[in-house]
Amino acid sequence: ETGVTQTPRHLVMGMTNKKSLKCEQHLGHNAMYWYKQSAKKPLELMFVYSLEERVENNSVPSRFSPECPNSSHLFLHLHTLQPEDSALYLCASSQAPGRRGDEQFFGPGTRLTVL
Amino acid sequence: GQNIDQPTEMTATEGAIVQINCTYQTSGFNGLFWYQQHAGEAPTFLSYNVLDGLEEKGRFSSFLSRSKGYSYLLLKELQMKDSASYLCAVWADSNYQLIWGAGTKLIIKP
Repeated sequence: ETGVTQTPRHLVMGMTNKKSLKCEQHLGHNAMYWYKQSAKKPLELMFVYSLEERVENNSVPSRFSPECPNSSHLFLHLHTLQPEDSALYLCASSQAPGRRGDEQFFGPGTRLTVL
Repeated sequence: GQNIDQPTEMTATEGAIVQINCTYQTSGFNGLFWYQQHAGEAPTFLSYNVLDGLEEKGRFSSFLSRSKGYSYLLLKELQMKDSASYLCAVWADSNYQLIWGAGTKLIIKP
């Protein structure tokens, strides 16, 4: 199994749909992250979970709802999205958040298109 | 505010050397990361610098000057597979949040 997997890889949804993105890490890490990546923009951190507890929530609209049932799985539930939410959604994990040099390992991302 | 600047795009020739610069202005500093991201793929870790100086890792080297708020990534003996975006990120204050640059798209020509 590769380190961090994400499903689906591509998703097209209407503004009234409800869908979920899934992330799984096979590295035994303690922290998991959701990022939004838009073209020619810096990565935007959305949510961070450390030991299954949410520790960062960067003013993300409530139409994005994260869930972390255990240290290996992370979900992002989506509902009533807007076209400007179309982007690449990346999941990452790391071993020791807060420790110097703690490297984040990324999944391949879900390319989301909102019509 | 917190800011990281990188060139948007660079072009280089196969076999040559290229230097990708990153300047940062952040409220704190606990280290700087470089990641490589091929189109449609996950970012992958290249290097981490927290002390001034040059760190060499094969064909790739990364340099940091904390007093100047400046780093660069040096790629030698360029190969076509080095065509990718290179992301600079600074760990400023928070335990969890990296400040990211928008990335530099590197195009390698034969």
